[in-house]
Amino acid sequence: KNEVEQSPQNLTAQEGEFITINCSYSVGISALHWLQQHPGGGIVSLFMLSSGKKKHGRLIATINIQEKHSSLHITASHPRDSAVYICAVPSFNTDKLIFGTGTRLQVFP
Amino acid sequence: KAGVTQTPRYLIKTRGQQVTLSCSPISGHRSVSWYQQTPGQGLQFLFEYFSETQRNKGNFPGRFSGRQFSNSRSEMNVSTLELGDSALYLCASSFLGTGELFFGEGSRLTVL
Repeated sequence: KNEVEQSPQNLTAQEGEFITINCSYSVGISALHWLQQHPGGGIVSLFMLSSGKKKHGRLIATINIQEKHSSLHITASHPRDSAVYICAVPSFNTDKLIFGTGTRLQVFP
Repeated sequence: KAGVTQTPRYLIKTRGQQVTLSCSPISGHRSVSWYQQTPGQGLQFLFEYFSETQRNKGNFPGRFSGRQFSNSRSEMNVSTLELGDSALYLCASSFLGTGELFFGEGSRLTVL
């Protein structure tokens, strides 16, 4: 079993739809990262959270430490949100990041 | 404030050669970490440097090495290149190593 699992692997949506991407992990963590990668490779850090919920514009990230689960929500999705979204957690007792396999999101106009 | 700069952006090498990649972190950031991304394995942690010391190392062979200079700039080196080393190599900087990460655009290495 992978230490970090994401679902779904692929997601298509119409512009304006509400999007949810899930991340489950098996290790105890200090914080979880949500990353966005556009075609071409560059990665942008969206959130780093260790509890509760964070919001930035149309993006919302939540984490449940007891259930070892985090979700990334995108409200009013837009074609420019099309990207790969990756969650990552530090491995137990170190800061080495372990990455999920990513969720490829395509938003159509 | 300038972002994380990686050079070169693209390079092509042949098997058996070696390659050196460079990463200049955001000014004031003391931690630099390196990652390899391939279609088959996804993103994998290579190593992390903080104040010129390697703090963590991923599960990669000894052909992969790195270092960090006193100005926090970091280099990684891959010797005796193999076809499987073809990948996007990303570096990220952070202030303390446990905070938000700022990624460079990556260096795309092709090994022929």
